[in-house]
Amino acid sequence: SQQGEEDPQALSIQEGENATMNCSYKTSINNLQWYRQNSGRGLVHLILIRSNEREKHSGRLRVTLDTSKKSSSLLITASRAADTASYFCATGSYGNNRLAFGKGNQVVVIP
Amino acid sequence: NAGVTQTPKFQVLKTGQSMTLQCAQDMNHEYMSWYRQDPGMGLRLIHYSVGAGITDQGEVPNGYNVSRSTTEDFPLRLLSAAPSQTSVYFCASSSTGLAGQETQYFGPGTRLLVL
Repeated sequence: SQQGEEDPQALSIQEGENATMNCSYKTSINNLQWYRQNSGRGLVHLILIRSNEREKHSGRLRVTLDTSKKSSSLLITASRAADTASYFCATGSYGNNRLAFGKGNQVVVIP
Repeated sequence: NAGVTQTPKFQVLKTGQSMTLQCAQDMNHEYMSWYRQDPGMGLRLIHYSVGAGITDQGEVPNGYNVSRSTTEDFPLRLLSAAPSQTSVYFCASSSTGLAGQETQYFGPGTRLLVL
């Protein structure tokens, strides 16, 4: 089954800096989603980008999707301490009733 | 709306014991699923349901049973707990049966330790 794989696995940055995470996948997809997980909590949906979209914004989040390279990136601009979390990408494909999750990126924002 | 709720929050079991993890949602979602999360493994799908009375297996179904008698509830049963089932379990739901096409709403998780 297809699966997102995030890179890098762990990122430590200063507050105010930008954080970029990448996700690669192996098969054709219908959409790619990013989720955030704070320590000890459930996952929270951040953004969904469909296969016919190249870029999407939501507040300080910017997601790009390159279907030719089978990759996506999540950019968090002007990071805050509250952005400290794990970030997961997940892919969905046509006719498939499940999401395939990557292993996650841990981001630590130092105040 | 409470969203997706899970009980219990924490549980310790002895090997061989059985238990049921509860999951409920009040959003009238058709699709519900169970994942387990282990360090370095991401989330792996255990079982899912596209509507009341319909369930199917995910990636790692062995040792777990599910049923879906109502739209709201989707319990996960461990028949005979093993240490390998020590994990954090998440329930999730989405609006329609096309879970691969839409946002998933997650519960807060159940931490399970099997001794």
